[in-house]
This record gives sequence, structure tokens and C-alpha cells, in this order.
Amino acid sequence: EPEVTQTPSHQVTQMGQEVILRCVPISNHLYFYWYRQILGQKVEFLVSFYNNEISEKSEIFDDQFSVERPDGSNFTLKIRSTKLEDSAMYFCASSVASSSVEQYFGPGTRLTVT
Amino acid sequence: GQQLNQSPQSMFIQEGEDVSMNCTSSSIFNTWLWYKQDPGEGPVLLIALYKAGELTSNGRLTAQFGTTRKDSFLNISASIPSDVGIYFCAGPMIKAAGNKLTFGGGTRVLVKP
Repeated sequence: EPEVTQTPSHQVTQMGQEVILRCVPISNHLYFYWYRQILGQKVEFLVSFYNNEISEKSEIFDDQFSVERPDGSNFTLKIRSTKLEDSAMYFCASSVASSSVEQYFGPGTRLTVT
Repeated sequence: GQQLNQSPQSMFIQEGEDVSMNCTSSSIFNTWLWYKQDPGEGPVLLIALYKAGELTSNGRLTAQFGTTRKDSFLNISASIPSDVGIYFCAGPMIKAAGNKLTFGGGTRVLVKP
């Protein structure tokens, strides 16, 4: 069964450093998302991406964040200068079409900022 | 913004018991999704509901789309140890270029000691 994959599973970085989180969405899916979950809290929407551009972003997704689809398979989230409060699980998700609300999530990347 | 409230926040189950949880919203949703999250993993889609009043099953799981469109319910029948985890409801904000999901706070299902 096709699935969303994410790398790395755990990333430790120092405050102020740049990190890139990587995702490979399900191959025939066209809509891509990033969510984050701070430990013990609910899953929060960060950004949606379609046709090589951001379609919506939350107030969390400030200028320190960017997304990219550098090739036909990868979807990346970059945090330019990490802060302590960026420590969280980051989940990538994808869906096949805009009419499909069913989003399929990857296993997540645990980001720890020290 | 839209808020989804789940209750109970946590519950203990004994093997073989039926369990129920619900999700209520401050606004109307046209679709409800139920996800399960195991520790250290991503949410796994369990059930999607598309119509008010709809009752949908997936194995021992049954979910209902409330008739007011502001609530949804999830039942697990004859629970087993692997049912332990966090169950999230989610509602989409449907747009032409992607659907943003709003998640509830989750119901944590634990095994009775």
C-alpha cells in the first residue's frame, strides 16, 4: 500500500541553525501539506501546497518557514533559523485531489532545537 | 477560528469493552475524519464521513456524522490492547487548492491496569 515517507525520523539542531525536513508524498497525489504537533498538543496546520505554490498558510508559517517541491517526488519544509519553540513533530500529508478531504500522513520528523 | 472539542480527554479500557468518544464543533462541518495516532507515529486515517446522519464502519470501529453537522461520534466495539492510542477527529476547510484540516485535542485510550 502506498504511503507517505519522511526523513529524518529525528533531527537535533542548535538554535539559529537551518533545517530541512523531507517528505515523499504518495505518488499520484497532487496536494501536499505540513502540520506540526508540539508534544502533548493537537496537530496544527502549517501550510498547503499545490501546483508548485503555497495555497494556504497558517499564522505559524512565518518568514522563517519555506516549502519546496524540488523534483517530482520530494516535498521539503525548511526552517531558516530555528528557535526553541520550533521543537515539535512535523508531519507531511498528501491528498489525491482538492475534492478529496482524505489526507494521508507520514510518520513524522521529531525536531529538537537545543 | 474553528474549534473541535473532544471528550473524554482520556479513558481506560478493559479488553472486550465497548468504548465511545465524541467530537463537537463550534461551527458546521460538511465532512468529518477520524484518525488514530500511536506513540511516535503519524495519524492514520480510520474513517471519513460525508453526510449528516451517516453511520460508517471500519471493522470494529463505527463513526457517526451528527445530524446537526456540529458533532461526530466514534465507537470501538470489543476493544483489544492494540486499540490503545490517541484518537483525533478532524474537519476540513474545503478550498479549491487544498483542504486545511482542523484537529481536535484527541481522546487518549489507555488500558486498565
